[in-house]
Amino acid sequence: GAGVSQSPRYKVAKRGQDVALRCDPISGHVSLFWYQQALGQGPEFLTYFQNEAQLDKSGLPSDRFFAERPEGSVSTLKIQRTQQEDSAVYLCASSLAFTGTGSNQPQHFGDGTRLSIL
Amino acid sequence: AQRVTQPEKLLSVFKGAPVELKCNYSYSGSPELFWYVQYSRQRLQLLLRHISRESIKGFTADLNKGETSFHLKKPFAQEEDSAMYYCALTDGNKLVFGAGTILRVKS
Repeated sequence: GAGVSQSPRYKVAKRGQDVALRCDPISGHVSLFWYQQALGQGPEFLTYFQNEAQLDKSGLPSDRFFAERPEGSVSTLKIQRTQQEDSAVYLCASSLAFTGTGSNQPQHFGDGTRLSIL
Repeated sequence: AQRVTQPEKLLSVFKGAPVELKCNYSYSGSPELFWYVQYSRQRLQLLLRHISRESIKGFTADLNKGETSFHLKKPFAQEEDSAMYYCALTDGNKLVFGAGTILRVKS
């Protein structure tokens, strides 16, 4: 399968625990995005990487959320001291290079990680 | 702020009937609009984008800048069209999604 791969598919954690969610983008895709999807809502942007550089983290809801992509491929989204409101599906997407002008390359999504905080 | 509105949470039609999924947006500038679809137990996938001006699975969508709309249409619904549909626009590097509309096609 050449699609975006996310793990784990499901994660249950107790309030206050730290969690780490992994995303394996499509090989060769320069851009990587994280979105948060609450129940009954559309995905909401969290953060964006171009290669290893985190160019936009304006959507991260608090300083408990941290994302990295150290080698410009696999990315990890970490949530510290989880709260019940963090319960959501976390989607990762990747695309070919974002040119910044003209049309954007389409984003390809993974299956997501469903996070439940008890 | 950039926003996408999908006024219907659920649209239920009979097989063979026309379908129109509504999408309105607010955006300062020239937006790029998309429709994404999520079939049962599958991942979110791109259905079509306005710059392509193509028909995918019989669906079309026309960008109407005057009405700030990008409604998704299909003349004859099929049961396999049942899914969740999201309208989205690009705001710089990110996608801004609507809340989605569930389309149910009844036999």
